[in-house]
Amino acid sequence: GQNIDQPTEMTATEGAIVQINCTYQTSGFNGLFWYQQHAGEAPTFLSYNVLDGLEEKGRFSSFLSRSKGYSYLLLKELQMKDSASYLCAVAQGGKLIFGQGTELSVKP
Amino acid sequence: DTEVTQTPKHLVMGMTNKKSLKCEQHMGHRAMYWYKQKAKKPPELMFVYSYEKLSINESVPSRFSPECPNSSLLNLHLHALQPEDSALYLCASSLTGLTEAFFGQGTRLTVV
Repeated sequence: GQNIDQPTEMTATEGAIVQINCTYQTSGFNGLFWYQQHAGEAPTFLSYNVLDGLEEKGRFSSFLSRSKGYSYLLLKELQMKDSASYLCAVAQGGKLIFGQGTELSVKP
Repeated sequence: DTEVTQTPKHLVMGMTNKKSLKCEQHMGHRAMYWYKQKAKKPPELMFVYSYEKLSINESVPSRFSPECPNSSLLNLHLHALQPEDSALYLCASSLTGLTEAFFGQGTRLTVV
């Protein structure tokens, strides 16, 4: 079966750092993606990990441990515009399967 | 051009109507997808086309009928929908099935 878990909600302060965790148990694995989705808009691609380790892209970093079925998205220097839903998605067998998403609220 | 374009942006249809959603990309992507998204839920995969052939159908009811006329276009034909089919329908494309998917802005469908 497929199981992708993320926290439902998180709150953080402007300028701070936040880590959003994702654990997965899937029957196949071709990579893990993080997407950002603002309310009423389409998901936008943030990062992709297929090998273990950290990928850094400006204020956003993503980490993967395949043996632990674990990833996290790290957002630094939080801005108000980072308030959004963050979706962890596992690619397997030509499909992209999404977790439930983490609703992040950034407060002043 | 890194866009996936969907039309229309909004659609209201009756349960006896037939309508189509359209999706277009010119990035040379060979995998195209239809997702359905309800409010405060993640996108749910419906169909995958790979090299213009239907490769995955996630047990979607036959009132939804996908079509891929060519490598740039993807349609979703709708017939005899139910009010619970009201949702945001997202089209996405990726270079192959193993690379990041780019999403269109979606069609917000309301069935009355």
